[in-house]
Amino acid sequence: DGGITQSPKYLFRKEGQNVTLSCEQNLNHDAMYWYRQDPGQGLRLIYYSQIVNDFQKGDIAEGYSVSREKKESFPLTVTSAQKNPTAFYLCASSIRGARGEAFFGQGTRLTVV
Amino acid sequence: AQTVTQSQPEMSVQEAETVTLSCTYDTSESDYYLFWYKQPPSRQMILVIRQEAYKQQNATENRFSVNFQKAAKSFSLKISDSQLGDAAMYFCAYRPLYYGGSQGNLIFGKGTKLSVKP
Repeated sequence: DGGITQSPKYLFRKEGQNVTLSCEQNLNHDAMYWYRQDPGQGLRLIYYSQIVNDFQKGDIAEGYSVSREKKESFPLTVTSAQKNPTAFYLCASSIRGARGEAFFGQGTRLTVV
Repeated sequence: AQTVTQSQPEMSVQEAETVTLSCTYDTSESDYYLFWYKQPPSRQMILVIRQEAYKQQNATENRFSVNFQKAAKSFSLKISDSQLGDAAMYFCAYRPLYYGGSQGNLIFGKGTKLSVKP
């Protein structure tokens, strides 16, 4: 079945550590996105990529980094520079043009311990 | 910059009744998409309904329909015959029609939490 897989579902990070969240899609979508969700904030865009080897910062990119070496993969690294990383992270993908909707993974809950 | 506003943080409806969730948006574009996504307690985002701005006819998906008022930049979601499984967060989202630069990104409202009373 086609879809987007995020792993792990739950992740715990110690202060000062970098952690990487995985996002893989087999939908052959060009575009991929990372969103952060906090209570009462809706979804805020961290990074997005419309083609392989290219990505752009979203609204809240500070303290995060990404790579897009393969079409199907768009990992997100939460660095120690991110001061408040505890949140729910959602990865999404979409095709260009027609229909326009994004498909989402099941999310990763990151907690700083 | 485009913005999406959902003015109702929480709503409640009786089972089998009808409820309308509000959404307004701001854009200078003439062509775009609008969406309603549902996020149940599992937190999986599920597409409920889609509207293309160039289509005047309001979209309908079973018990879900929209009232799209392009001039007023309003995009409300009506849920008929509400069911317990409709209880969730509902997000309104906007997307430009064309890719290029920062275009093509989904912009979300802050969501409306819908409760369904038995």
